[in-house]
Amino acid sequence: ETGVTQSPTHLIKTRGQQVTLRCSSQSGHNTVSWYQQALGQGPQFIFQYYREEENGRGNFPPRFSGLQFPNYSSELNVNALELDDSALYLCASSPSDSSYNEQFFGPGTRLTVL
Amino acid sequence: GDSVTQMEGPVTLSEEAFLTINCTYTATGYPSLFWYVQYPGEGLQLLLKATKADDKGSNKGFEATYRKETTSFHLEKGSVQVSDSAVYFCALSRSNTGKLIFGQGTTLQVKP
Repeated sequence: ETGVTQSPTHLIKTRGQQVTLRCSSQSGHNTVSWYQQALGQGPQFIFQYYREEENGRGNFPPRFSGLQFPNYSSELNVNALELDDSALYLCASSPSDSSYNEQFFGPGTRLTVL
Repeated sequence: GDSVTQMEGPVTLSEEAFLTINCTYTATGYPSLFWYVQYPGEGLQLLLKATKADDKGSNKGFEATYRKETTSFHLEKGSVQVSDSAVYFCALSRSNTGKLIFGQGTTLQVKP
């Protein structure tokens, strides 16, 4: 069984640019969540997608947006990058029958904004 | 709003020592509680979970008991190994929301 995968592993952008991060869910999972983990901090919830629809959003501005595709893979898009967007971005998937929101995490994408 | 507070680290122990990492939470209702572990350069792995009061989650020698009366979910292990060195995160979720709420993490360093 393939786990959650993310690409790319590392990314360097400059302020004002746009970035797209990608995530493939674990087999059988139809829910994907994205988190931002700043250095030395716990992950912060960005948003969740369930069956291609946004299903909850954290305290992040609209320049953070996402998509989920019919195969349940997902993208996180960030426009107008700021220095504070530098972080590890984690994707997590959940099984469709999870009754207690157990989430399985990918290895993350390390974004550096210069 | 909901929140999780963990003891500050780093926690430095010798091999075979007893481990406790404190975690308390603030939430309405009956959230599910989790411990995740993050090894250097990796994503988070679920270590254990508890979904209702008085439940004990356990895995790989680690244990934590859901204490509703003290709103706590402390992580314990009787004898730590060098390979347990990592960052440990306590988290909560409620079944009617999509999100996990994490504490700030506690770094554990185990020396031989």
